[in-house]
Amino acid sequence: ETGVTQTPRHLVMGMTNKKSLKCEQHLGHNAMYWYKQSAKKPLELMFVYNFKEQTENNSVPSRFSPECPNSSHLFLHLHTLQPEDSALYLCASSQSSTGYGTDTQYFGPGTRLTVL
Amino acid sequence: DAKTTQPPSMDCAEGRAANLPCNHSTISGNEYVYWYRQIHSQGPQYIIHGLKNNETNEMASLIITEDRKSSTLILPHATLRDTAVYYCIALSSGTYKYIFGTGTRLKVLA
Repeated sequence: ETGVTQTPRHLVMGMTNKKSLKCEQHLGHNAMYWYKQSAKKPLELMFVYNFKEQTENNSVPSRFSPECPNSSHLFLHLHTLQPEDSALYLCASSQSSTGYGTDTQYFGPGTRLTVL
Repeated sequence: DAKTTQPPSMDCAEGRAANLPCNHSTISGNEYVYWYRQIHSQGPQYIIHGLKNNETNEMASLIITEDRKSSTLILPHATLRDTAVYYCIALSSGTYKYIFGTGTRLKVLA
């Protein structure tokens, strides 16, 4: 248990559906991240939020819409996805994504998304 | 951030030490070496990190060469539950961009 929870753990959706992934961290961190891990590929950073402000969008298609209402919660809203968006979506948090020294990220268990 | 190179796979007998190498020959002075592991279809788990000195915690030891061009993660007594993909990452101080490669798939054999 890392202190980062994600729901749901598994999600199957059609291409016309709208769904949301939720991430919550109980570590008192100020930065939160969304990663995507497709089959047989390395993790790819999607979005970064630092103190609720988005500081990174790694050229992610607009059908993925993140939301960070506070430092403890992060959502990923999904709409009109494609089958190639099927992947493991991982949330992580860290103390802060700026500043000096190290900033260890702690990951949640992930949401396995299947788009039909 | 420095690129890291790891062997794609390794086997280790249960109860023996697992030594996982990582090459980071272009690492700069302010880049830390981080290790994570990912058990099948779960989120990556933080193991250990270091800058220059060797580090040890309850999970593993990290040995960094004096020139910092390579490091070795040591799991002192591997168990079946240590079977996972292990990632070595070089991270600049003050940045957050973890660049995950394909890692080393460690298989612990009974």
